[in-house]
Amino acid sequence: DTAVSQTPKYLVTQMGNDKSIKCEQNLGHDTMYWYKQDSKKFLKIMFSYNNKELIINETVPNRFSPKSPDKAHLNLHINSLELGDSAVYFCASSQYRVPKPNTIYFGEGSWLTVV
Amino acid sequence: GESVGLHLPTLSVQEGDNSIINCAYSNSASDYFIWYKQESGKGPQFIIDIRSNMDKRQGQRVTVLLNKTVKHLSLQIAATQPGDSAVYFCAENSILTGGGNKLTFGTGTQLKVEL
Repeated sequence: DTAVSQTPKYLVTQMGNDKSIKCEQNLGHDTMYWYKQDSKKFLKIMFSYNNKELIINETVPNRFSPKSPDKAHLNLHINSLELGDSAVYFCASSQYRVPKPNTIYFGEGSWLTVV
Repeated sequence: GESVGLHLPTLSVQEGDNSIINCAYSNSASDYFIWYKQESGKGPQFIIDIRSNMDKRQGQRVTVLLNKTVKHLSLQIAATQPGDSAVYFCAENSILTGGGNKLTFGTGTQLKVEL
């Protein structure tokens, strides 16, 4: 069974559209994250939620809005998509307040292409 | 600002040789450093970590060295195999006061194993 699963894996959409990426983890973790990987493979954190509460919100445009209906899910909604939003978005999860970094598990990624 | 960077974007090695991937960091307050492996089309996968109070840690075929004096981290892979071909990231882990971990990634090194 996949520990951190994201859907869709591939998404091609036009500029101006609104789209969502869903993420679910079955590891019983309390904290979930969204990371963005650009064309140069640079990975940067966007958001983090712990038990449905926002704990990290990096400098991300307001068009990006995370939603956590429960601690096993963290969805990413993007409004008014722009060409620069094209990237791979990774969901991840970890245990709350556990310092060991090897508890951070990444999903397989969602490839977003804005045309 | 904080940054974690890699010296070489691409490293080519012969199968069976040892690989050394280097990383420089700037945040001397980091508690953990981690190496991740990202295979094509997949999410980052934990390889090995090292705490800031250590200078060496060994795993299966991998060794991480930490030199805090020059803020340098390296990953050594013994007897490199074709399956080791991937992008390798070093990352600095920070424990958040609100809980959870925040990873700051370097730019990545592409390891190519030649037969």
